Amino acid sequence: AQSVAQPEDQVNVAEGNPLTVKCTYSVSGNPYLFWYVQYPNRGLQFLLKYITGDNLVKGSYGFEAEFNKSQTSFHLKKPSALVSDSALYFCAARGSGQNFVFGPGTRLSVLP
Amino acid sequence: DTAVSQTPKYLVTQMGNDKSIKCEQNLGHDTMYWYKQDSKKFLKIMFSYNNKELIINETVPNRFSPKSPDKAHLNLHINSLELGDSAVYFCASSRGSGGSSSGNTIYFGEGSWLTVV
Repeated sequence: AQSVAQPEDQVNVAEGNPLTVKCTYSVSGNPYLFWYVQYPNRGLQFLLKYITGDNLVKGSYGFEAEFNKSQTSFHLKKPSALVSDSALYFCAARGSGQNFVFGPGTRLSVLP
Repeated sequence: DTAVSQTPKYLVTQMGNDKSIKCEQNLGHDTMYWYKQDSKKFLKIMFSYNNKELIINETVPNRFSPKSPDKAHLNLHINSLELGDSAVYFCASSRGSGGSSSGNTIYFGEGSWLTVV
């Protein structure tokens, strides 16, 4: 069965520091990997995705993610965090022809 | 222009009532979904339709009945509401549903906050 793990419920980082939100996955076949962000009382907004090609994927708002096949990971990163990045982040994965599966979410708090 | 729009955004209703949530997308997508987000923020798929045909029906009580009158609309009707139905319901859409579409992004609406009292 497919699954996505986000090992940290909460990540705290100081403004201006780099941030990482971790994600590992388990799917059949080649993985399709996604990151979404959810602000309070809002829907999920798409940030970036990995389909194939370069392992480093760049997305919206300065976020990027690195696909690591051997570690089955797709960690979300940003070089310099902003207070406005504080939100709930979801990693999602699917194998070819399979359903989307979301991780449990990681709450990011960027402290001024 | 809102890509995936759902109404109402907030809904408070009594147990036993029947309610509907409407969803429309103007992205030209052929696949639409309903997701449920519980109080712990876990997201779980409920239904998926492709070209008005039901393709995913997770273990959802049959009090929940989706209806897709056309590709751009997927409504959710809930009968005999229970306290445990309180959640945020998200409509979403994407292009395609088969293997070659696996890399296509799913786009979400803003959510409908349902509170059953």
